[in-house]
Amino acid sequence: DQQVKQNSPSLSVQEGRISILNCDYTNSMFDYFLWYKKYPAEGPTFLISISSIKDKNEDGRFTVFLNKSAKHLSLHIVPSQPGDSAVYFCAARASGTYKYIFGTGTRLKVLA
Amino acid sequence: DSGVTQTPKHLITATGQRVTLRCSPRSGDLSVYWYQQSLDQGLQFLIQYYNGEERAKGNILERFSAQQFPDLHSELNLSSLELGDSALYFCASSEGLAGGPFTDTQYFGPGTRLTVL
Repeated sequence: DQQVKQNSPSLSVQEGRISILNCDYTNSMFDYFLWYKKYPAEGPTFLISISSIKDKNEDGRFTVFLNKSAKHLSLHIVPSQPGDSAVYFCAARASGTYKYIFGTGTRLKVLA
Repeated sequence: DSGVTQTPKHLITATGQRVTLRCSPRSGDLSVYWYQQSLDQGLQFLIQYYNGEERAKGNILERFSAQQFPDLHSELNLSSLELGDSALYFCASSEGLAGGPFTDTQYFGPGTRLTVL
């Protein structure tokens, strides 16, 4: 049972445009969500997070939106740059636990 | 560089064998997490240690075990290896703030690629 789903395995976006990566979850006990970026031959790198008490968190070009009623979060990258090309994982954690559940990732390719 | 080191980088072994993967957390981090990433899969949480004690357990097989030592480094032991154990194994560390998990960001190592032939 995949509690965190990233239904788009890949996404291609033109440089300078917006990239939108989506993530859906099923567990209503999740209260903390994170996005990680992963380059080939490296470990995932923390990008941005959001707690369930917020619906938006922004850090530079990266914004995460959380829609609790739809159990959906999205990562917006504006403007997209070629260096953003990587695999992006969303992850979630339930209240009171230290166990993080990761999605299967979305491969983003930003075209120059 | 996340500050988390993992050795070895690559490991090739045969079915039925036993291997040990090692992880050194970032300086000052008390928590260590282990994850498995199989082909086209997300990261599967295996186990977490905090200051030497097991804190959380995921879908870790009974053939797998881990420990965290007094110097805070951690080892993941995989035994009776099967072909399906071939995967990337990541270690992550965090401060493991007691009572403050909302900001407990995990920093990942580069991973160990295990190939079982």
